[in-house]
Amino acid sequence: KNQVEQSPQSLIILEGKNCTLQCNYTVSPFSNLRWYKQDTGRGPVSLTIMTFSENTKSNGRYTATLDADTKQSSLHITASQLSDSASYICVVSDSGGSYIPTFGRGTSLIVHP
Amino acid sequence: DSGVTQTPKHLITATGQRVTLRCSPRSGDLSVYWYQQSLDQGLQFLIQYYNGEERAKGNILERFSAQQFPDLHSELNLSSLELGDSALYFCASSVEEAGGLYEQFFGPGTRLTVL
Repeated sequence: KNQVEQSPQSLIILEGKNCTLQCNYTVSPFSNLRWYKQDTGRGPVSLTIMTFSENTKSNGRYTATLDADTKQSSLHITASQLSDSASYICVVSDSGGSYIPTFGRGTSLIVHP
Repeated sequence: DSGVTQTPKHLITATGQRVTLRCSPRSGDLSVYWYQQSLDQGLQFLIQYYNGEERAKGNILERFSAQQFPDLHSELNLSSLELGDSALYFCASSVEEAGGLYEQFFGPGTRLTVL
């Protein structure tokens, strides 16, 4: 069964600090991995999309990495801001023809001033 | 604002009832995706339509059905509602038929409460 596990479940950091969120998956065959940011009560917003051949992708202060051999991804947030407080969700799609996405449960990040 | 609109924003109904959620994709997007987000299950993919045709199916219950109309708007029909159907229902749209390599733009969601 395809699964996506994220850690930590929640994280509290001080404004200006960096942090790294983890995503492990067992989705096979692999198509792509996406990271989303979701503010409470709102729709997710795409941060990065990576395919098998990509191992790093950046979007401003957000940098995602992918190790397809170990089936792990990380999302690094640099110089955190109060507006980074949100849930970060890892999504992995298979390539079995329909590209069905499997969602992680997310990491809830709180940035304190 | 993602450009994807969903109506209604909130819906309160009783068990056993039937409701219809509506989604209008971004201009130019041919694909519409439906997702369910509940507290205990997280986000789950329900179904995708591309240019009026069903393209991919996820964990969608038989009590649920969807369609995409010629003007590309989509409706998700939920029937014989149960307490466990209470959730946020999101619609997303993108330009691509399949692959997930293009960004999906999410609407603001419809919060369904079943009493």
